[in-house]
Amino acid sequence: GAGVSQTPSNKVTEKGKYVELRCDPISGHTALYWYRQSLGQGPEFLIYFQGTGAADDSGLPNDRFFAVRPEGSVSTLKIQRTERGDSAVYLCASSLGVAGAQETQYFGPGTRLLVL
Amino acid sequence: KNEVEQSPQNLTAQEGEFITINCSYSVGISALHWLQQHPGGGIVSLFMLSSGKKKHGRLIATINIQEKHSSLHITASHPRDSAVYICAVKARNAGGTSYGKLTFGQGTILTVHP
Repeated sequence: GAGVSQTPSNKVTEKGKYVELRCDPISGHTALYWYRQSLGQGPEFLIYFQGTGAADDSGLPNDRFFAVRPEGSVSTLKIQRTERGDSAVYLCASSLGVAGAQETQYFGPGTRLLVL
Repeated sequence: KNEVEQSPQNLTAQEGEFITINCSYSVGISALHWLQQHPGGGIVSLFMLSSGKKKHGRLIATINIQEKHSSLHITASHPRDSAVYICAVKARNAGGTSYGKLTFGQGTILTVHP
């Protein structure tokens, strides 16, 4: 079946612009995660959803970052007034059920964001 | 200090060599994951461990909960094993409840030469 998909695969924008990154999780997966990976680093947690609600948004770096998942499937990560430091690969992952200890997270290919 | 530390950061091997990548963590965990990331590619889960040892083909993962340490071994390494290997933990709070998010190490870049 289809895995996690993310669009766009690449996004180039100018400093100060607004961007939206989309994640389509595996069908039926109730938990959805956003991570950010800077060059040469491991991914860092941003936010995760259980169903439609954000269960943990402690990783969002500031109020320019916001994410939604209005129908409990597709999620959009929104970044306002982009800065050059936002340049990174934004990864989405999903897991089947409640985000418990034994859930495997399935990762999408990522969106590579470059802020000029 | 990061909650998850990996060593080495870079590893170069000749085809056929036995490879070990180490991961140490400083928090209580409910599970530890080993992940593989190819250049330009997505992340694939290799193992999820909460105790003991798991084996899949030429890959072996072990964990020592008391010492907060895990190792990933690759036997008879091959150039196609070249990738970034990432250790990640799912932490738990003092009450034992697992957090949903993963906390990642910085990754180990493995290059296997023919």
